[in-house]
Amino acid sequence: EAEVAQSPRYKITEKSQAVAFWCDPISGHATLYWYRQILGQGPELLVQFQDESVVDDSQLPKDRFSAERLKGVDSTLKIQPAELGDSAMYLCASSLGSGLYNEQFFGPGTRLTVL
Amino acid sequence: GENVEQHPSTLSVQEGDSAVIKCTYSDSASNYFPWYKQELGKRPQLIIDIRSNVGEKKDQRIAVTLNKTAKHFSLHITETQPEDSAVYFCAASSGQLIWGAGTKLIIKP
Repeated sequence: EAEVAQSPRYKITEKSQAVAFWCDPISGHATLYWYRQILGQGPELLVQFQDESVVDDSQLPKDRFSAERLKGVDSTLKIQPAELGDSAMYLCASSLGSGLYNEQFFGPGTRLTVL
Repeated sequence: GENVEQHPSTLSVQEGDSAVIKCTYSDSASNYFPWYKQELGKRPQLIIDIRSNVGEKKDQRIAVTLNKTAKHFSLHITETQPEDSAVYFCAASSGQLIWGAGTKLIIKP
């Protein structure tokens, strides 16, 4: 069964350093999402792509976060510089389309710890 | 902004008993309500969803009810089993999924 892939699974970094996370969605899924999940809370959408275009990045802290999906397939989320408050699980999800009823399939996540 | 509140944050039930998790939402335009299950160390997975034109949906031991007037929806799990232990998230969408904070369900043997 096809799954969303993410790497790395765990990342420890010091504050002010740069980090990058990678996501490979399920083949054929046009819509890709990056979420941040703080321990004890639900996922919070950071950015949504439709193919290679950003359709929603209203919650993305653009002064330090950037995301790209250059060929409309895999995606990279970058944080520079990392801050202590960025410690969280970063989840990638994909869906066939952006329609309301499209099920989102999640990757295993990248757990980021900023020291 | 849009908000989804979920209660309780932790729920402990005896194996075989029923569990109910409740959510309320603020955006009256929401018309899609999925529930996700996240087992420890694993990814969230969709277990059931309901659309606004339906008041109730059932799938074996799980069911979801929706009251659009009151803007709340609930997840019901009957005959709970050890493998039901997980964190359950509700969400509401009128275009973007807004998630609840999650309920940790503990099934006591």
